[in-house]
Amino acid sequence: DTAVSQTPKYLVTQMGNDKSIKCEQNLGHDTMYWYKQDSKKFLKIMFSYNNKELIINETVPNRFSPKSPDKAHLNLHINSLELGDSAVYFCASSQELAGAHTDTQYFGPGTRLTVL
Amino acid sequence: GEDVEQSLFLSVREGDSSVINCTYTDSSSTYLYWYKQEPGAGLQLLTYIFSNMDMKQDQRLTVLLNKKDKHLSLRIADTQTGDSAIYFCAENPGQAGTALIFGKGTTLSVSS
Repeated sequence: DTAVSQTPKYLVTQMGNDKSIKCEQNLGHDTMYWYKQDSKKFLKIMFSYNNKELIINETVPNRFSPKSPDKAHLNLHINSLELGDSAVYFCASSQELAGAHTDTQYFGPGTRLTVL
Repeated sequence: GEDVEQSLFLSVREGDSSVINCTYTDSSSTYLYWYKQEPGAGLQLLTYIFSNMDMKQDQRLTVLLNKKDKHLSLRIADTQTGDSAIYFCAENPGQAGTALIFGKGTTLSVSS
């Protein structure tokens, strides 16, 4: 009964390919996120969705396109992969704490993408 | 701008206490978080503290917040080898649904 799950866990592919990473949460949360962790372990937001609507879109190449078919899923599609896309991609979800105007984010196990 | 700073490494002996420090810049942050990342694993939420609190204790973990200095610390009592991991401090600078701003992480190494 994993709370936030991602598939695949590892993804090795050639430059120029198109690939997708899937994320699902069974917590009933309204908001989902994609973060990228680089080789120095630095974590940075890429996108977030609330109830299937895009609310954060950081400066990310438009080769990256998130898709949210429903509020429990947020997938990340990457076109024309480049060497610099190699990283660990984390999905997260959150729900606003009642009366607190803030939330706590729960992370998936990560997908390690290696572009050769 | 928003920035979260942490020291990169900490080495302790088993049984000692570990103190990991963090400074943040956004005074409007309402919640501050500590996450743990073990090698090859995801991010595990350890604890969080509301900005109107000075201290929060949860078993071996103690979080201290100095809001005036924008300084956050995580103390792990009786550190074990299983505590070896990267610890990330993060701030939530806005409303629900806002992205977390992470520090670069502190690698804690525990020797027996």
